[in-house]
Amino acid sequence: EDKVVQSPLSLVVHEGDTVTLNCSYEVTNFRSLLWYKQEKKAPTFLFMLTSSGIEKKSGRLSSILDKKELFSILNITATQTGDSAVYLCAVEAYTGANSKLTFGKGITLSVRP
Amino acid sequence: EAGVTQFPSHSVIEKGQTVTLRCDPISGHDNLYWYRRVMGKEIKFLLHFVKESKQDESGMPNNRFLAERTGGTYSTLKVQPAELEDSGVYFCASSQGTGRTQYFGPGTRLLVL
Repeated sequence: EDKVVQSPLSLVVHEGDTVTLNCSYEVTNFRSLLWYKQEKKAPTFLFMLTSSGIEKKSGRLSSILDKKELFSILNITATQTGDSAVYLCAVEAYTGANSKLTFGKGITLSVRP
Repeated sequence: EAGVTQFPSHSVIEKGQTVTLRCDPISGHDNLYWYRRVMGKEIKFLLHFVKESKQDESGMPNNRFLAERTGGTYSTLKVQPAELEDSGVYFCASSQGTGRTQYFGPGTRLLVL
């Protein structure tokens, strides 16, 4: 069965700190790994990673994938209170025309002023 | 551009009743997915539509759940009769094509008493 494990489960930091969120996976027919940020309602898309070793960046957020060791990290530098959210990691399994995401439990990040 | 919308945002029903959830995908997205998050667990895949066809319904828990997407636009997920363990948050997502980024709606919070 496909599996995604995120760590830590929760994290409390102060504004300005840098955080690293971890995601490891075991999945058959891997196609991509995605990171989402969920504040109150809809998970909002952050990154999709398909290739090993290529860092994706968006402002203070960056992410990288290691397909050999089967993990990804999401880095947030100079954290702000607006970064407080649940960060979800999901892995896409793709077979022919079928595609589905397997999620981890999420990492709750709290950024204190 | 409007995102994925879901209706209702919350529903409270009694065991044995019927509930119908609706999802409107992003305009032009042929792929539509349903997921569910039960309290304390990770978000889990239910099924995948391509246009009006069910591409993969391997995640549907049992035959009390019926999903439809007549006309290939919006989708409904009916639970009949509802049981206590059906409580959770039901998310809908859509993508332009299979293997493309899935964008999520805000979810419907279902509570079965």
